[in-house]
Amino acid sequence: GAVVSQHPSRVICKSGTSVKIECRSLDFQATTMFWYRQFPKKSLMLMATSNEGSKATYEQGVEKDKFLINHASLTLSTLTVTSAHPEDSSFYICSAGLFHSNEQFFGPGTRLTVL
Amino acid sequence: AQSVTQLGSHVSVSEGALVLLRCNYSSSVPPYLFWYVQYPNQGLQLLLKYTSAATLVKGINGFEAEFKKSETSFHLTKPSAHMSDAAEYFCAVSEAGGTSYGKLTFGQGTILTVHP
Repeated sequence: GAVVSQHPSRVICKSGTSVKIECRSLDFQATTMFWYRQFPKKSLMLMATSNEGSKATYEQGVEKDKFLINHASLTLSTLTVTSAHPEDSSFYICSAGLFHSNEQFFGPGTRLTVL
Repeated sequence: AQSVTQLGSHVSVSEGALVLLRCNYSSSVPPYLFWYVQYPNQGLQLLLKYTSAATLVKGINGFEAEFKKSETSFHLTKPSAHMSDAAEYFCAVSEAGGTSYGKLTFGQGTILTVHP
């Protein structure tokens, strides 16, 4: 149980385009989803926390207009990187948790490369 | 506020040797503590977690960790390393309450290399 999927696993796009990444909890309903960014050989940096049906809470320094997060259902959250630039290239990982739970279940990650 | 420090960005051991990965944390409230493993180009897999029950926590793949409040530590150990243990390991802390409930703060990671 507690499987989280991400799609796509890898994406290459041109500078200026927008990219959408999906995060799904396959066998449970996730009231909270988290989006992380991981730079090469670095740790995970929390970008935002999203709760189903409400606006995402962004961490300091993360541009909400650049990284659009939608959590429309209890099993799906999406991260859209708008007008992507090469510096947005990174490994994006989502996780899903239950309300008042201390555990997060992580997706396999999405490798974004912006040319 | 919470933070995690992992001492040593790289640890190298021989197959069959003891594995010790160090983690120290700071938290203003009682913490929950986690160890995750990450293989290349993959997400994170939970190894074990401490949530205020037993201080010695056993996880998957023969790993265990001991919560020591006096030392604010949660070091990860395995008696005998296997080649398949080679990966990057992350220690993380989550506050057990307050506005940061559920948010994980990760350490910088430790890459474990296992030599034959």
